[in-house]
Amino acid sequence: AAGVIQSPRHLIKEKRETATLKCYPIPRHDTVYWYQQGPGQDPQFLISFYEKMQSDKGSIPDRFSAQQFSDYHSELNMSSLELGDSALYFCASSLQLSEAFFGQGTRLTVV
Amino acid sequence: KQEVTQIPAALSVPEGENLVLNCSFTDSAIYNLQWFRQDPGKGLTSLLLIQSSQREQTSGRLNASLDKSSGRSTLYIAASQPGDSATYLCAVKGTYKYIFGTGTRLKVLA
Repeated sequence: AAGVIQSPRHLIKEKRETATLKCYPIPRHDTVYWYQQGPGQDPQFLISFYEKMQSDKGSIPDRFSAQQFSDYHSELNMSSLELGDSALYFCASSLQLSEAFFGQGTRLTVV
Repeated sequence: KQEVTQIPAALSVPEGENLVLNCSFTDSAIYNLQWFRQDPGKGLTSLLLIQSSQREQTSGRLNASLDKSSGRSTLYIAASQPGDSATYLCAVKGTYKYIFGTGTRLKVLA
């Protein structure tokens, strides 16, 4: 069965650079979620989209933005990267109130 | 604001033991609750989903219960194995987001 696909799997960027993370949800899922997980921490909610419209927003820095495109894939754009942005970034998708499936994550390292 | 807590934070048990992981949440207005497993540096694997109208769900050696009114869920693991060693996370679903618990780090000793 198709799963949530995230790319790239690993990304190394320098401070003040920009990064773009991509997420391809499971086909026909109507909701996409983005999470950030720092070392030893639980996943923190960033933002979600329902039917391509932003549906909820968490503690997402102003330097970050996200959107969902007509083909339902989503991108998380991160600018002016800081060392503290180094983390695992997860994307998940679900259909209405059904089970959420998470991708394998993108490990971002800012040096 | 929804807060999700898991107890214990860490657990080390000998192989073969039955064990219970606890998850509590402060706002009972949830749509569902999901239990996940996470291996170090890896993604989140869904174990069980309990809808708000359900009391429990079972999958193999795993059984999860939900008491929405008291804000509690438990994950029961029967006959634990070394391969069960991982971090277990519960997550409660609001309208358009999941809020994760603090996790329980489980180590099953051979």
